[in-house]
Order: sequence, then C-alpha cells, then structure tokens
Amino acid sequence: DQQVKQNSPSLSVQEGRISILNCDYTNSMFDYFLWYKKYPAEGPTFLISISSIKDKNEDGRFTVFLNKSAKHLSLHIVPSQPGDSAVYFCAALYNNNDMRFGAGTRLTVKP
Amino acid sequence: NAGVTQTPKFRILKIGQSMTLQCTQDMNHNYMYWYRQDPGMGLKLIYYSVGAGITDKGEVPNGYNVSRSTTEDFPLRLELAAPSQTSVYFCGVRLADEQYFGPGTRLTVT
Repeated sequence: DQQVKQNSPSLSVQEGRISILNCDYTNSMFDYFLWYKKYPAEGPTFLISISSIKDKNEDGRFTVFLNKSAKHLSLHIVPSQPGDSAVYFCAALYNNNDMRFGAGTRLTVKP
Repeated sequence: NAGVTQTPKFRILKIGQSMTLQCTQDMNHNYMYWYRQDPGMGLKLIYYSVGAGITDKGEVPNGYNVSRSTTEDFPLRLELAAPSQTSVYFCGVRLADEQYFGPGTRLTVT
C-alpha cells in the first residue's frame, strides 16, 4: 500500500533553471510532510518540511508547496545547481511517529 | 549524518544466520527509527522507539527485533536471515520535524 507516491523516477534540468519535484499521497491523516535529499552511499539528509496547516514553506532556494485538497506537494528548487543532483525523497508523517516515504526522484542538473 | 553512527557498513550473511545492526546517537533525542531501503523504493519503517524501554512496530517488522535499553543505542536484530532481508538499513533520530539518518548498513543475505 503505497501511501506516498513519487511518480517520476527521474528528472533532468539545466543549471540555473527551476526543478520541480512532485509527490502525491493518499492518507488524509498525514499531518507533516518532509523532503530529503540523498547522495549515493550516504543516509538521507533533511531538506525542508511543511505542516499540513500551511500551503507554502520557503528556505533559500527551496520551496515546498502543499495542496491538501489535491493531496499533492511539490518541491521547487530555483535556481538549480549541479550540486543539487541527488535522489529526492518525499515523506509524510502520521501520528507523530509513522513516517512513510515515496520511492524517490533522481534529479540531474546539467551544467 | 553527524551524531548518528551505524555499524557495520557492509555485511554478507548466509541464510539462517543472525546478526545485530548497531545504531548509536549522541544527540540525546528520544525518537529513534529503523528503516530499510530496497532498490528503487523509498524507506520503509521497521521499528521505532519513543524513548528508552519503549519500542513499537512499524510498517515491515517481520523478521526483526529491537531493544532500547539506553537513549543512545537502538540495535536491530535479525534472528534468522532470509534473502528477502537483503537491503540497505538506515537508522534515524528525530527531533520535532527534522530527522537525521546514519550512513546506512548494506546487508546481503545469500
């Protein structure tokens, strides 16, 4: 039962342009959403999060948007940099403990 | 990954063998988690702990056991290793809305 879905396994963008990574979820009980970045042979690194009571959270080049009615969130990276190339995981938190992850999207930023 | 250490980094087990994956944190956080990540998949929660002496099952607990005798340590035990347990295992520590992960243990069961 895949409650958090990232339907695009990969995304390629040009340096300086915007990267948009998408995530859909099915469980309306999720109350917190997080994005993680993962490099090969390392653990995931926390990037940015958003509470279900908000629709936008911004941190530097990273912005997360939440559309609760559509059960959809997205991560915008602008401008994209080659160092942003990694696998990005969307995660949703339920009941303060149960965190479900999407399968990840591999972002490649070309110089 | 600072503050969360996992050992070993790599391990090959034969079917039926047992082992313990170690996770230690120096962040003094109560919430700790074990996840596994299979190829092309997201992380799946195996077990979690909200403090010393308290553990609970996650999404995929079968074949695993945990204990939490101290705040710092949260070992994951495989009693009878099976090929389906071949995966990369990540230990996580959470404070508020941020979660920190260890570097992972790559386990192969043959």
